Amino acid sequence: AQSVTQLGSHVSVSEGALVLLRCNYSSSVPPYLFWYVQYPNQGLQLLLKYTTGATLVKGINGFEAEFKKSETSFHLTKPSAHMSDAAEYFCAVSVYSSASKIIFGSGTRLSIRP
Amino acid sequence: GAGVSQSPSNKVTEKGKDVELRCDPISGHTALYWYRQSLGQGLEFLIYFQGNSAPDKSGLPSDRFSAERTGGSVSTLTIQRTQQEDSAVYLCASSSTLFEQYFGPGTRLTVT
Repeated sequence: AQSVTQLGSHVSVSEGALVLLRCNYSSSVPPYLFWYVQYPNQGLQLLLKYTTGATLVKGINGFEAEFKKSETSFHLTKPSAHMSDAAEYFCAVSVYSSASKIIFGSGTRLSIRP
Repeated sequence: GAGVSQSPSNKVTEKGKDVELRCDPISGHTALYWYRQSLGQGLEFLIYFQGNSAPDKSGLPSDRFSAERTGGSVSTLTIQRTQQEDSAVYLCASSSTLFEQYFGPGTRLTVT
């Protein structure tokens, strides 16, 4: 079975500062990994995904994440935070199987200080 | 193109009443998921439909919760004898592959 752990339920950074949201996963087979963002009062939107190939993946709004198998991590980063980045971020994992489903982490709320 | 739609967007019901929440997935998507998101909490998986396979109901919290998917398209989540702890946002998502889920805007359920 797969699982996801997001470290830190709330992260606060200053505008222009580096954003780092941590995600560790557990999977007995090669995983597919995702980051979703949820803006206030909206549904979830895919930020980026890792399936195979290049371990550094780039997503929308300047975010990127690196798959590190040795560390079982998929941390989300953005070099310079913007006020509009304030949202809830969810890491998720799945594996290739016709019966599989995507498992979400508990989420990290990102706040941006002016 | 049309995304995932859910109705109603808001539902207020009295404790003990039954409610039905509807999800219209993206046309052609074979997989459909229901999640529950309580205030300030993460996503709690409820049920997963994939094509004609038997649904994965492992996340349903009690036998008061049930869901069906008719014709491989529209899905209805039914909560019987609602309780105050059922108050949450219920999210539906659909996908054509394991690589991405498309989420609807959710139904906010309030049980008074």
